[in-house]
Amino acid sequence: DGGITQSPKYLFRKEGQNVTLSCEQNLNHDAMYWYRQDPGQGLRLIYYSQIVNDFQKGDIAEGYSVSREKKESFPLTVTSAQKNPTAFYLCASSTGTANTEAFFGQGTRLTVV
Amino acid sequence: AQRVTQPEKLLSVFKGAPVELKCNYSYSGSPELFWYVQYSRQRLQLLLRHISRESIKGFTADLNKGETSFHLKKPFAQEEDSAMYYCALSGRGSNYKLTFGKGTLLTVNP
Repeated sequence: DGGITQSPKYLFRKEGQNVTLSCEQNLNHDAMYWYRQDPGQGLRLIYYSQIVNDFQKGDIAEGYSVSREKKESFPLTVTSAQKNPTAFYLCASSTGTANTEAFFGQGTRLTVV
Repeated sequence: AQRVTQPEKLLSVFKGAPVELKCNYSYSGSPELFWYVQYSRQRLQLLLRHISRESIKGFTADLNKGETSFHLKKPFAQEEDSAMYYCALSGRGSNYKLTFGKGTLLTVNP
């Protein structure tokens, strides 16, 4: 079953704790992306990666960190420095070439209490 | 900087009426533009891309470089078109940053 998988679907954490969201794809895609989706804000880009061991900050990278040690995996860590971490997080992947379609995961809803 | 603006958060039309979802962009080079759609309880998915010049589910979008716009249109809206629509932009070549607008929630009433 090919695609992009995010886990878990729901995640609860206490304030002050770091938490890591998983994103795995078996589409052999080079590019991967993390977005945050808030009501009325659309999708805001957190980090993106074109290739293993390389990634770039998006528009709202503060308080987040990522790694890209494997082509198929792009985990996102929400650190305690993120002031408003409660949100819906979406991961996507694409071939990274011109006019390529991005494929999205089902998302992870993170609630920090 | 690249930016996508969707001026309407909400758009409500009656079945059979024409619909136009607006999208304006800001980008210094040659952009690649897309429309993505998210139906209730489904994943965000590609609807169409400007390079293909295709009509998907009756929707079309024309890139107007002079007005820096990429509006999505459909002549006769259907109830199943009700969804959240996002306009997106990426650069060409090595710029693979994919930026989305804030989205427009389209409701088609019976």
